[in-house]
Amino acid sequence: GAVVSQHPSRVICKSGTSVKIECRSLDFQATTMFWYRQFPKQSLMLMATSNEGSKATYEQGVEKDKFLINHASLTLSTLTVTSAHPEDSSFYICSARYLTGDEQFFGPGTRLTVL
Amino acid sequence: EDQVTQSPEALRLQEGESSSLNCSYTVSGLRGLFWYRQDPGKGPEFLFTLYSAGEEKEKERLKATLTKKESFLHITAPKPEDSATYLCAVQAVDTGKLIFGQGTTLQVKP
Repeated sequence: GAVVSQHPSRVICKSGTSVKIECRSLDFQATTMFWYRQFPKQSLMLMATSNEGSKATYEQGVEKDKFLINHASLTLSTLTVTSAHPEDSSFYICSARYLTGDEQFFGPGTRLTVL
Repeated sequence: EDQVTQSPEALRLQEGESSSLNCSYTVSGLRGLFWYRQDPGKGPEFLFTLYSAGEEKEKERLKATLTKKESFLHITAPKPEDSATYLCAVQAVDTGKLIFGQGTTLQVKP
């Protein structure tokens, strides 16, 4: 149980384009999903927290107009990186949490490379 | 400020050589401490949750313990497949967010 998927696993795009990443909880309903970014040899940094049906809460320093998050259902959250630039290249990982639990279960991650 | 520090940064062991990884934390109010395993290019895999000092959890060759200031992940007789980065994270009562340490990269040689 507690399986989270992400799609795509890897994406390469040109500077200025937008990229959408999907995060799905496959076998449970996740009222809360989280988006993290991880740079090489660094730990996970929380970008935003999203609750189903409401606006995401962004961490300090994360541009909400650049990183659009939608949590339309209890099993799906999406992160759209708008007008991506090379500095946005990173490993993006989502996680999901049960309504009654504390543990976060992570997806496999999406490697974004912006040329 | 809530903070998590893991040591050592890297650890090389021979197969069968037991050792411990340390996670020191400062948090305004601890809701839970979590251990994850992360393989290269993958997302973290949940291992344990610890809630109170004195609590211990075990899974195969791994055992996690918790005190009021730190947690240890003990690895008994490790195998090469235990090679990975082990992440510690704390969840504060007030924010509910996970704060991660930098991780310990473990390499177990046959």
